[in-house]
Amino acid sequence: AQSVTQLGSHVSVSEGALVLLRCNYSSSVPPYLFWYVQYPNQGLQLLLKYTSAATLVKGINGFEAEFKKSETSFHLTKPSAHMSDAAEYFCASLSGSARQLTFGSGTQLTVLP
Amino acid sequence: DAMVIQNPRYQVTQFGKPVTLSCSQTLNHNVMYWYQQKSSQAPKLLFHYYDKDFNNEADTPDNFQSRRPNTSFCFLDIRSPGLGDAAMYLCATSRVPGLGTDTQYFGPGTRLTVL
Repeated sequence: AQSVTQLGSHVSVSEGALVLLRCNYSSSVPPYLFWYVQYPNQGLQLLLKYTSAATLVKGINGFEAEFKKSETSFHLTKPSAHMSDAAEYFCASLSGSARQLTFGSGTQLTVLP
Repeated sequence: DAMVIQNPRYQVTQFGKPVTLSCSQTLNHNVMYWYQQKSSQAPKLLFHYYDKDFNNEADTPDNFQSRRPNTSFCFLDIRSPGLGDAAMYLCATSRVPGLGTDTQYFGPGTRLTVL
């Protein structure tokens, strides 16, 4: 069975600092992986997705993620945090045979002035 | 712009009083999903429709039902809401289920309060 683990339910960074949100997957086959962002009282917005075309995936709002099979990881990064990045971030996986996303537990990102 | 729309954004109901949440989409996607998201938790899939084919998750309570009268609309009916059903309800759509190159697009959600 596939699963996704997000390390750190809360992450705080200073404005302008590097953002690193961690996601590890567990799957018997290479998964398809997604990062979503959720602002308060809003739905989920897709940041980026990995579908095996390239290991480094660039998304919206300056975010990117690198798929590392050897580490079973898909960490989300942004070189310089902005106040508007404060939100909840969810990593999710989708196996080729499944009809649904499996979400991690989420990471709340706080950006300090 | 093509999108997923949920109405209302905020819904207040009384304990045991039936309530219906609405979702519509202009993406012409085959699949529509309903998720329940409780505070500080990940979304939990309740069920989905692939065209007219209804797929219920094994642990979705019988209190939750869904209807999809056409491609564009999907409804979530809660027959007798309990206090534990207070949550954000998210609707999502995708073109074809389960393909890695496909993506689920989410609506803004309906926050349900049960008094």
